[in-house]
Parts: sequence; structure tokens; C-alpha cells
Amino acid sequence: NFMLTQPHSVSESPGKTVTISCTRSSGSIASNYVQWYQQRPGSSPTTVIYEDNQRPSGVPDRFSGSIDSSSNSASLTISGLKTEDEADYYCQSYDSSIVFGGGTKLTVL
Amino acid sequence: QVQLVESGGGLVKPGGSLRLSCAASGFTFSDYFMSWIRQAPGKGLEWVSYISSSSSYTKYADSVKGRFTISRDNAKNSLYLQMNSLRAEDTAVYYCARGTAVAGTLIDYWGQGTLVTVSS
Repeated sequence: NFMLTQPHSVSESPGKTVTISCTRSSGSIASNYVQWYQQRPGSSPTTVIYEDNQRPSGVPDRFSGSIDSSSNSASLTISGLKTEDEADYYCQSYDSSIVFGGGTKLTVL
Repeated sequence: QVQLVESGGGLVKPGGSLRLSCAASGFTFSDYFMSWIRQAPGKGLEWVSYISSSSSYTKYADSVKGRFTISRDNAKNSLYLQMNSLRAEDTAVYYCARGTAVAGTLIDYWGQGTLVTVSS
């Protein structure tokens, strides 16, 4: 199995852009889809990006996902930050098992 | 709309057993892989187990292998997790989650979770 490594926390001001990385420890990041989940305090996770870079209906286009094979990582970018974006964000991929990143706490201040 | 409602959580002593249930609605349950995912207090998400749409294939995290059993009843639109030999480190909110149509090991919908506390 592989691991997915995320920064523990990031912070940025309202209106700015933030990028959260998710680095795969072994095997190619491009070999299996990556998804991103948002979890607000006291709530269940919800999907903000699926299949590397697709947005579910209802998720603002301020959210985008990408894959970078050179760094073997996936990224979640949130532009035009709003205070409501403050949450924990998790990446997830798989091989024969389901693998989550450790989560990144986004603070919008 | 897709709904996943977990039940069966509670307080149990170390070494005890508990059975979680998840009632699914709003989609054709028998078409989808289903998973259990847990989150210890203040910690991140940890995958526990998944089961294929017809129950022909199951997989477990090493941390629960041999102690937990996942099952489903497609006629009742229900997912289950039988948890035996429970340990303090199994204390967590347990989420029922649906796999996507593209890959059963990707998640698109989550339940609200049920809390399992293992303590004497």
C-alpha cells in the first residue's frame, strides 16, 4: 500500500487563493483517481472534487483539482476564499485498499 | 436523494461486540460498493472495510482484520459491520459511505455517522 501526505494546516485571507497538496508515497499518482472531501466541524465529509478534477453539482467553481506526475501529487485549489471554506480537507485514492491523506486544516482569516 | 443512516453505536467494554447498521435510500443499493470509514476523536479519516455490490468481495484494513465483518442485505437496502474483540483504539465515529459508479473504492456519499466508544 501507499500513503498520501498532506500539510497539516494552511491559512490564508479571504479573497485569496490557497492550494493544498497531496503527495503519493509510491506508485504513480496518475494510476488511480484522486478525490477531495471537505469536512466542516461537527459534520460528515462531502465531496468537493471527484476523479482528479471534476466538480460535483453544487460545488462552486472556485474549487478545482489537478494532478502533477512530476511531483507525484494531487492538488486542491480554492480561489476567492470565503470564511465558509474554513474546514478540514482530505484527499483519497486507492489501490486494492482505500487510502486517505491525513487531512489539512484550512483557516481563513 | 441519496440517504445513508447509520445506527447501532454506543458504549461497549473492551473485548465486547457491537453491530452497526446503515439504511440506504434514494438509489439502487444493489448496484454499488459500500464502505465503512471511521474517525477517532480529533483525528483524520481511516478506511475500515468495503464490500462489493453482490457481496462477492470484501476487504479490510489491517487494523480490524479478523475482528470486524462487513456484510449487506440488498433486499433490505442495508449495510452492516459486526465488530468483535473491541479495543479502546476502535473508539470513533463510524461512517457508512457509498462507492462511486466509476470505482467502488472512491466515495461519493457519506452518512451522518454513529459514535462507538470502547471503554471500561
